[in-house]
Amino acid sequence: AQSVTQLDSHVSVSEGTPVLLRCNYSSSYSPSLFWYVQHPNKGLQLLLKYTSAATLVKGINGFEAEFKKSETSFHLTKPSAHMSDAAEYFCVVSDHTGFQKLVFGTGTRLLVSP
Amino acid sequence: EAQVTQNPRYLITVTGKKLTVTCSQNMNHEYMSWYRQDPGLGLRQIYYSMNVEVTDKGDVPEGYKVSRKEKRNFPLILESPSPNQTSLYFCASSLLGAIPTNEKLFFGSGTQLSVL
Repeated sequence: AQSVTQLDSHVSVSEGTPVLLRCNYSSSYSPSLFWYVQHPNKGLQLLLKYTSAATLVKGINGFEAEFKKSETSFHLTKPSAHMSDAAEYFCVVSDHTGFQKLVFGTGTRLLVSP
Repeated sequence: EAQVTQNPRYLITVTGKKLTVTCSQNMNHEYMSWYRQDPGLGLRQIYYSMNVEVTDKGDVPEGYKVSRKEKRNFPLILESPSPNQTSLYFCASSLLGAIPTNEKLFFGSGTQLSVL
């Protein structure tokens, strides 16, 4: 069985400071891992994905995430927050069988203050 | 423009009154899925479809029906809605490549349903 835990329900940062959103996973197989972002009143949009290639994954809008198997983590980072980054972020895990086995985290709401 | 279109965006109904939420995609995707999003629970899968006439239950299928008669459409049907189905619903679609999880899910903008 797979599971994903987002360690913070809310994260507050100031504009221009680094962002860290934490995600730990559990999977019986070599997992695929994703981060999706949801802006207010919008559907989810893929930020980045890890599928057993490079462990450091770069995504859109300056975000990146590092897959650490020894720590079963896939934390999302950005060097400098922008006001437009304020949104909800979901960590998602899947095994090799496809979308029917996607498991979503409970989400982390990122708040960015001026 | 490539997109997944859900209608309506907002829906208020009463217990027991059948309703349908429509979902349509213009990308010729084989895979389509419905999720519900509830505070503190993330997204949970209701039903999914791997292609026309091929559907299967997700994690929370009770009280819902789906059909996939055409590739582009995947309606979600609530035959007798109840208040515990008040939620934010998302439709999603994707291609099914050789490695399914390498593909990207495209999401609709959501339908906020309130059942009184």
